[in-house]
Amino acid sequence: GAVVSQHPSRVICKSGTSVKIECRSLDFQATTMFWYRQFPKQSLMLMATSNEGSKATYEQGVEKDKFLINHASLTLSTLTVTSAHPEDSSFYICSARYWDTEAFFGQGTRLTVV
Amino acid sequence: GESVGLHLPTLSVQEGDNSIINCAYSNSASDYFIWYKQESGKGPQFIIDIRSNMDKRQGQRVTVLLNKTVKHLSLQIAATQPGDSAVYFCAENSGYALNFGKGTSLLVTP
Repeated sequence: GAVVSQHPSRVICKSGTSVKIECRSLDFQATTMFWYRQFPKQSLMLMATSNEGSKATYEQGVEKDKFLINHASLTLSTLTVTSAHPEDSSFYICSARYWDTEAFFGQGTRLTVV
Repeated sequence: GESVGLHLPTLSVQEGDNSIINCAYSNSASDYFIWYKQESGKGPQFIIDIRSNMDKRQGQRVTVLLNKTVKHLSLQIAATQPGDSAVYFCAENSGYALNFGKGTSLLVTP
């Protein structure tokens, strides 16, 4: 299957700083990318959907000013967690798909805010 | 979407037995369903999918059954192996996004 690469796989940051997570589709063009958050022993919760060149659509309850999403090209989307706090510590997972074809997932990023 | 519980339900099976993992979905308009396997610290891995015009689809050692009447989906794993131990999620297609169910932790014992 297609490959979606997420970087970094783990990051530890200080409270109040910002962290950027990258999601790349390596061998296909991702017209749509999705960002999920997953807390321990829970399911994946959709945070936002982004289409290349457009503003992201955020799910209810997700602060768009805190979780900045950029999808500037068909192969790259970034999620920036701004002014991170310990409650933002979580596993963040991106997904990419070309139109309505199969969605492929990145390997996830473990964010720890200390 | 579905509510998220604090603890994942766990299914414990012996190696070699068949496993059945169930999932209920809420959106009767969903037309595409996928089962994913997630190992600890990794992203979801595609297992098998099914469209709403089908009620059964088979893959290698896995079968997905769809009952649209009661909005129920199941994943059957034949001859379960230790490497099958993971968390399994069903997902329904909603527009372009996938909405995930609560998940079931499968533990395969020798």
